[in-house]
Amino acid sequence: DAKTTQPTSMDCAEGRAANLPCNHSTISGNEYVYWYRQIHSQGPQYIIHGLKNNETNEMASLIITEDRKSSTLILPHATLRDTAVYYCIVRVTDSWGKLQFGAGTQVVVTP
Amino acid sequence: DSGVTQTPKHLITATGQRVTLRCSPRSGDLSVYWYQQSLDQGLQFLIQYYNGEERAKGNILERFSAQQFPDLHSELNLSSLELGDSALYFCASSVEGRGRDEQYFGPGTRLTVT
Repeated sequence: DAKTTQPTSMDCAEGRAANLPCNHSTISGNEYVYWYRQIHSQGPQYIIHGLKNNETNEMASLIITEDRKSSTLILPHATLRDTAVYYCIVRVTDSWGKLQFGAGTQVVVTP
Repeated sequence: DSGVTQTPKHLITATGQRVTLRCSPRSGDLSVYWYQQSLDQGLQFLIQYYNGEERAKGNILERFSAQQFPDLHSELNLSSLELGDSALYFCASSVEGRGRDEQYFGPGTRLTVT
């Protein structure tokens, strides 16, 4: 699976959009981009995933660049409960699917 | 609530002992995964089962073993425990087990080895 690069930490003001970048310049055509988050010592939580097109669900939006070498997770209106470590993970679509977690981005939402 | 349950929530035991962690996947999910999270190693994949069969293995120690039963619940057995085995152990489940599946995680079991 391709490796990803994320900033170590980010601060965000409550109520504002949080834009979390991820670089995956070695991604292959058959690899999805997944985002998970982990709120302090809880089980990781699935957020969203995409292959080529932008995706949106009730939690977030995922914007993937046309060359697929980077993506941005957007939390449209950050709340204090969004404070967590966010992981960007690239996974091959058809292989048996372990998740390879990196260090992620520690996001702190402040009032 | 992800629908994945894990028991026990906390476990304290002594070095050299053996423990069993249990996981029940979400209804309808055929694949189960085990992950270990320690302070210095982050989240590490241990092993995956699909419908009772082992499908992928990570850096799982020989002292650790797992199985998935016909009712699809899974158990992770840790033996000859060492202080370094103290960690959070998470179970996750997914429908098919392939890379296009999202995995849903349980709340974890916190193991403390003294």
